[in-house]
Amino acid sequence: SQTIHQWPATLVQPVGSPLSLECTVEGTSNPNLYWYRQAAGRGLQLLFYSVGIGQISSEVPQNLSASRPQDRQFILSSKKLLLSDSGFYLCAWSVRRGETQYFGPGTRLLVL
Amino acid sequence: AQKVTQAQTEISVVEKEDVTLDCVYETRDTTYYLFWYKQPPSGELVFLIRRNSFDEQNEISGRYSWNFQKSTSSFNFTITASQVVDSAVYFCALAPYNTDKLIFGTGTRLQVFP
Repeated sequence: SQTIHQWPATLVQPVGSPLSLECTVEGTSNPNLYWYRQAAGRGLQLLFYSVGIGQISSEVPQNLSASRPQDRQFILSSKKLLLSDSGFYLCAWSVRRGETQYFGPGTRLLVL
Repeated sequence: AQKVTQAQTEISVVEKEDVTLDCVYETRDTTYYLFWYKQPPSGELVFLIRRNSFDEQNEISGRYSWNFQKSTSSFNFTITASQVVDSAVYFCALAPYNTDKLIFGTGTRLQVFP
């Protein structure tokens, strides 16, 4: 069966510091991968998605970036965090476009 | 514009009551997919159901049932005989045809009291 992992689970970072969040999927090949952000008390916003290694599509311009160095690994990064980057970051995978997206446990990021 | 509206921000019920969570969507696509997810306090989104736009049959899974009506662009979710474990935030989402995007509503927080 497929599983999706995210780490770290929680993170407290100062403004201006770098960020690296990791997501890995097990039990499937060539998945579509997604990064979402959920601000406090709000819905989910798609940040990036990837349909293959090295292929990244950005949905919202911001100071975040994403990379997919391996088939089942998806990384969310920032060179300098802003206060507004605080939130709950969720990674998801699906077998293809339009199919169900399955979510990981999430990373809670607090920027101070 | 493509949009999902969950007008109920928060609902409180007593255990064993039935509760319906509303979802209204907007899209010009004729082919699309609708989803419901549950987010318990732990934060992880749990998939509940996926429905394509050509399948308007209602679905029942245990205490859960879904009513899809294209005429009113609604995809409502009913929990029968609610339980404390049903307490969570529930999200409705729309996947437009031929895109990788899931458009989420703002969620409905359900609190079930014993």
